[in-house]
Amino acid sequence: GQQLNQSPQSMFIQEGEDVSMNCTSSSIFNTWLWYKQDPGEGPVLLIALYKAGELTSNGRLTAQFGITRKDSFLNISASIPSDVGIYFCAGYNTNAGKSTFGDGTTLTVKP
Amino acid sequence: GAVVSQHPSWVICKSGTSVKIECRSLDFQATTMFWYRQFPKQSLMLMATSNEGSKATYEQGVEKDKFLINHASLTLSTLTVTSAHPEDSSFYICSASPPRVSYEQYFGPGTRLTVT
Repeated sequence: GQQLNQSPQSMFIQEGEDVSMNCTSSSIFNTWLWYKQDPGEGPVLLIALYKAGELTSNGRLTAQFGITRKDSFLNISASIPSDVGIYFCAGYNTNAGKSTFGDGTTLTVKP
Repeated sequence: GAVVSQHPSWVICKSGTSVKIECRSLDFQATTMFWYRQFPKQSLMLMATSNEGSKATYEQGVEKDKFLINHASLTLSTLTVTSAHPEDSSFYICSASPPRVSYEQYFGPGTRLTVT
């Protein structure tokens, strides 16, 4: 089946620093999505990307849909303590009608 | 908008009993709902895709007779873990997709199941 490689697995940063994480796949996806999960909660949709090359922002978050449709990255600028959590990328395949999730990036922000 | 609830948020049951988990879309109609299982510090593992009024589609390796899914209405799907065993202990999360936007999933808060 389709697999996503998400990196890094974890990050420890100081408050105020910028963060970058990415996902790559051997398969093409029609849509890329980024979610954040807080402990004991369900994931929350952050950004959805629909077209190859698309660059979309949501506040301090910026994500891009790779030109090859096989990768995506998420940047967080000027991190704050509430950015702590697990960030998941997901690729949606229209034919399959479902998303494939990456293994997550655990972000820790030190005040 | 796009709020999904789950009930219960946590449950403890004894081995051999069955547990039902409800997933509701509160402010939209969901033609498709998904059920995931998540182990500590791991990603979301899709168990099955549930479409309103039809049988669920289970992922490879997921026992459909053990994890019964019913999607009786456009706002409610249920997962019943039958004859639960300790290895079924996990965090179960549902998600729902609005019509015509099936690539966007809105997740419930999850249900922590502990089987003793």
